Amino acid sequence: EIVLTQSPGTLSLSPGERATLSCRASQSISSHLAWYQQKPGQAPRLLIFGATSRATDIPDRFSGSGSGTDFTLTIRRLEPEDFAVFYCQQYGSSPFTFGGGTKVEIK
Amino acid sequence: EVQLLESGGDLVQPGGSLRLSCAASGFTFSSYAMSWVRQAPGKGLEWVSAISGSGGSTYYADSVKGRFTISRDNSKNTLYLQMNSLRGEDTAVYYCAKDQRVGASSHDYWGQGTLVTVSS
Repeated sequence: EIVLTQSPGTLSLSPGERATLSCRASQSISSHLAWYQQKPGQAPRLLIFGATSRATDIPDRFSGSGSGTDFTLTIRRLEPEDFAVFYCQQYGSSPFTFGGGTKVEIK
Repeated sequence: EVQLLESGGDLVQPGGSLRLSCAASGFTFSSYAMSWVRQAPGKGLEWVSAISGSGGSTYYADSVKGRFTISRDNSKNTLYLQMNSLRGEDTAVYYCAKDQRVGASSHDYWGQGTLVTVSS
């Protein structure tokens, strides 16, 4: 099973700041990585797939990078609605595991 | 508009069984893989199972293999999850999710979830 390790666990930032979230895979998954955002009481929302492609209607302040084992989600300038928990998921090899999540909270 | 509506969540005793359903609309159901993802109270997301568009390929998390069975009825646009030998650690909100292609992949649409509680 491929283990995804997300860091940091919590990121405390102010609106307008840049957020950088990391996801590391225990073995290579090529570019088979997705990022999701989840707000309290809501279902997750797909942000990024294929490591770098934005999903439909996702603002361009969200960007993904990386391949192999190291991946990054960057939020260029945080808007108030961006504060949430973010998860990465690999779909390169079953079981298609999720990372433990990074909470981006308002400082 | 893509819609996914889960049903079947309930309170069940340990060792019991439950079948979840997910009614899909707004897309060509048989052209996409479908998945189940769960979230225990206050915890992160856990991928549970996936099935290809034709139903010919299925995938399971180690934690549910041998106890859960995923299936689909493409004539009814419905996804199922048969859960047997339920344990306390299966307590979670179960989400149905549409994958982005006919084989398992990222999930571009999600239902609102159905709660399964395993307790005596």
